[in-house]
Amino acid sequence: NAGVTQTPKFQVLKTGQSMTLQCAQDMNHEYMSWYRQDPGMGLRLIHYSVGAGITDQGEVPNGYNVSRSTTEDFPLRLLSAAPSQTSVYFCASRRQETYSYEQYFGPGTRLTVT
Amino acid sequence: GQQLNQSPQSMFIQEGEDVSMNCTSSSIFNTWLWYKQDPGEGPVLLIALYKAGELTSNGRLTAQFGITRKDSFLNISASIPSDVGIYFCAGRGGGSNYKLTFGKGTLLTVNP
Repeated sequence: NAGVTQTPKFQVLKTGQSMTLQCAQDMNHEYMSWYRQDPGMGLRLIHYSVGAGITDQGEVPNGYNVSRSTTEDFPLRLLSAAPSQTSVYFCASRRQETYSYEQYFGPGTRLTVT
Repeated sequence: GQQLNQSPQSMFIQEGEDVSMNCTSSSIFNTWLWYKQDPGEGPVLLIALYKAGELTSNGRLTAQFGITRKDSFLNISASIPSDVGIYFCAGRGGGSNYKLTFGKGTLLTVNP
């Protein structure tokens, strides 16, 4: 059981470039989400999905796209990278039962936009 | 939206000391979670709380779901150097079925 995996671990982009951050989980979790972590800001929700084919916006969605074609994968796309998107990105997943909110995080992708 | 205030922002303690940190909310929460993040890693779930007044332990860690449902506390007893990291609280309010709100974290440094 690998849990939640993310690739790449580190990435440097130039302003205006696009890229996709990959996230996969092997726990058959229905719910997946993306957060960004900035110093002094804690974890902020970007987008989330409650199942294949269903996505919704979080707190800071602008500049990011997501899709969920399978239960296992939840990629995050940066359409046109900006320096303000320099951050550490975490993917997380959990089961969908209403009594369980125990969310598991991946190891993170450290993104720098120059 | 819902806000969580986590305090203190940082702590510097000696090995062997006990540690307390807390989170307060402006509104009622139905679930409280406590996470620890080691440097360069993702947050790892420590304790989950689902009922007001609930007190749950995980080794040297003890967390409580406040009676008012607007706060939660995490205590670490007899700290050791590997307790170093950032501790986050997270909560789910009644109006939001899916989203967790995170505190900004408490940075713990333990001097051996």
